[in-house]
Amino acid sequence: ETGVTQSPTHLIKTRGQQVTLRCSSQSGHNTVSWYQQALGQGPQFIFQYYREEENGRGNFPPRFSGLQFPNYSSELNVNALELDDSALYLCASSTEDTQYFGPGTRLTVL
Amino acid sequence: QKEVEQNSGPLSVPEGAIASLNCTYSDRGSQSFFWYRQYSGKSPELIMFIYSNGDKEDGRFTAQLNKASQYVSLLIRDSQPSDSATYLCAVGRGTDKLIFGTGTRLQVFP
Repeated sequence: ETGVTQSPTHLIKTRGQQVTLRCSSQSGHNTVSWYQQALGQGPQFIFQYYREEENGRGNFPPRFSGLQFPNYSSELNVNALELDDSALYLCASSTEDTQYFGPGTRLTVL
Repeated sequence: QKEVEQNSGPLSVPEGAIASLNCTYSDRGSQSFFWYRQYSGKSPELIMFIYSNGDKEDGRFTAQLNKASQYVSLLIRDSQPSDSATYLCAVGRGTDKLIFGTGTRLQVFP
């Protein structure tokens, strides 16, 4: 158990819709990162939040946005969904030594 | 050139043998190196991390790092069928914002 939880487990949306994915990390883990993992690929870094501020962003368009809350929970929002957004979305919580992933949310865009 | 490269496999080894998984990276400023195991449909699970040149052992697993050659490897001794999974190499300048390879699929046959 990594102490990182995500919801929902699976989600199906249609192109053009908006989606919100949620993550809850362990108390005291101030840093949360989001990754997208397409089928057959390694996870790709979307962005990171540290103490409720965005602290780094990967090569993803602005329609990918996020929030971090004081209670160590976080959200990933994706607007104007595209078919290529279908992927496993992973939330990761960092300690001083390493990074632990949650179970992920499988998003399918039809 | 990809930032983190792994052979996609599959790497097939008999039960009880040593499995050797390799990874090269392009960013000479990388300071942290991770190996994750991912079963089909699941999220990545941390196996080991290594920060210093040389070997680091944890049970049946040994991570090897050579920063001069920009090379990191994972050895799995006494391989078991339950080790069959995709192994992801991840590289970063800290414990987050990691760059992942596409993974090597390992198959351990009885």
